[in-house]
Amino acid sequence: EDKVVQSPLSLVVHEGDTVTLNCSYEVTNFRSLLWYKQEKKAPTFLFMLTSSGIEKKSGRLSSILDKKELFSILNITATQTGDSAVYLCAVPFGNEKLTFGTGTRLTIIP
Amino acid sequence: DAGVIQSPRHEVTEMGQEVTLRCKPISGHDYLFWYRQTMMRGLELLIYFNNNVPIDDSGMPEDRFSAKMPNASFSTLKIQPSEPRDSAVYFCASSLRSFWGEAFFGQGTRLTVV
Repeated sequence: EDKVVQSPLSLVVHEGDTVTLNCSYEVTNFRSLLWYKQEKKAPTFLFMLTSSGIEKKSGRLSSILDKKELFSILNITATQTGDSAVYLCAVPFGNEKLTFGTGTRLTIIP
Repeated sequence: DAGVIQSPRHEVTEMGQEVTLRCKPISGHDYLFWYRQTMMRGLELLIYFNNNVPIDDSGMPEDRFSAKMPNASFSTLKIQPSEPRDSAVYFCASSLRSFWGEAFFGQGTRLTVV
C-alpha cells in the first residue's frame, strides 16, 4: 500500500539547536519526494529530491534521500524562531496523486 | 504572476447551504489540485485536473462535492448541501507540466459550516 509517514509528529527545541525530521515512504514507481513548509497559511515549497538529485541544500536547511531504505530527512541547523512551522513531506503516487504525510510540527523556543 | 488565487478567504455558512470555492491557477500551469486540510486528516487530495480535464476524483468524499474547470484559468469546488463535517481549509494548487514537480498553493479558503 502506498503511504507517506512522517516522524516525529511534533518537536520542541531551543533556538540554535539542530533538528532532523524524517519521512518514510512506500510507493511503486518512485519519481520524487518533496518537502514543504507550512506556517499559518499555504504550504511553501522547500526541496524536491529525485533519483538524480538525492541531496539538496539551501542555507541552514538540507535534505537527503535514501532510495534504498525508502526515507528522506530534512535537517535544519542553528534553528531560529522563524523556523517554527509544520513541515510536510509529499510523494506522488500512481495516477499522479501528490500525497502528503501528516507533517511534523516544529516549535522553536527563543 | 500573483500566484494561485483563491476566493473567498473565509466562508461561514449554515448547514444545508451550497458553497462554492474558486481558484485561479498560475498562468501556464497544466495541473490543478484541490486539497482539504483538517487537524485530524492532514492534507487530502480531493481531485486534480490536467489541461482542464478531471483526471482523478477518487478523493472526493461524497456526491455532495463536485469540481469543474471550464477553462485554464478558473476552477470551482462546490459543496451542496454543506455539512458541519465539511469544515476545513480548502487549498487549490497548480503545477507546471509534470505533476511530480513543485506545486504552488493558494492561500486557502477556511470553510466553517454551522
